[in-house]
Amino acid sequence: DAGVIQSPRHEVTEMGQEVTLRCKPISGHDYLFWYRQTMMRGLELLIYFNNNVPIDDSGMPEDRFSAKMPNASFSTLKIQPSEPRDSAVYFCASSDRGEQYFGPGTRLTVT
Amino acid sequence: EDQVTQSPEALRLQEGESSSLNCSYTVSGLRGLFWYRQDPGKGPEFLFTLYSAGEEKEKERLKATLTKKESFLHITAPKPEDSATYLCAVQAGSYIPTFGRGTSLIVHP
Repeated sequence: DAGVIQSPRHEVTEMGQEVTLRCKPISGHDYLFWYRQTMMRGLELLIYFNNNVPIDDSGMPEDRFSAKMPNASFSTLKIQPSEPRDSAVYFCASSDRGEQYFGPGTRLTVT
Repeated sequence: EDQVTQSPEALRLQEGESSSLNCSYTVSGLRGLFWYRQDPGKGPEFLFTLYSAGEEKEKERLKATLTKKESFLHITAPKPEDSATYLCAVQAGSYIPTFGRGTSLIVHP
């Protein structure tokens, strides 16, 4: 397996624009997680899915953030509208109830 | 609420100088404790899972140990390529891990 795949790797956008981050988990993993990492706050769990169903989105900072998982091999995290404080590295990870496997991350810069 | 505290926040070693990183945790019903390595610009990479007190796991120069309150990541004779941030996470009642803030390790040649 190629591991967890994320795209794009880098995204630079202007405040107010919509941003969509994409993730392909490892085949067979039934859990998918979205994290945000910053120097100030470390690794924060935003939302996680089990068998494509969102289970806990209490980490999503505001209504501007939304996530979907239409099938077992694809998930998106959308920010609309984006703000400069959303600048961070966003990771997707998948697991089979044990250890997590992380993607390479998307570095988002909102100007 | 599950809590994970890692210390020190940062550690500088000379090549060959052995040391240990600490991960203290407060959790009800530990399912597993995980160690990850994160290199700059990359996602965390899984290293070890420990399930019960007394368990040990080894990989090259790294050895992870677990007690009922903490875990140690021992680094023996480190090399510059061991420089990275090491993250600890605990998994309790749910399957959702709680991460510590990490220890940034720099090994000087």
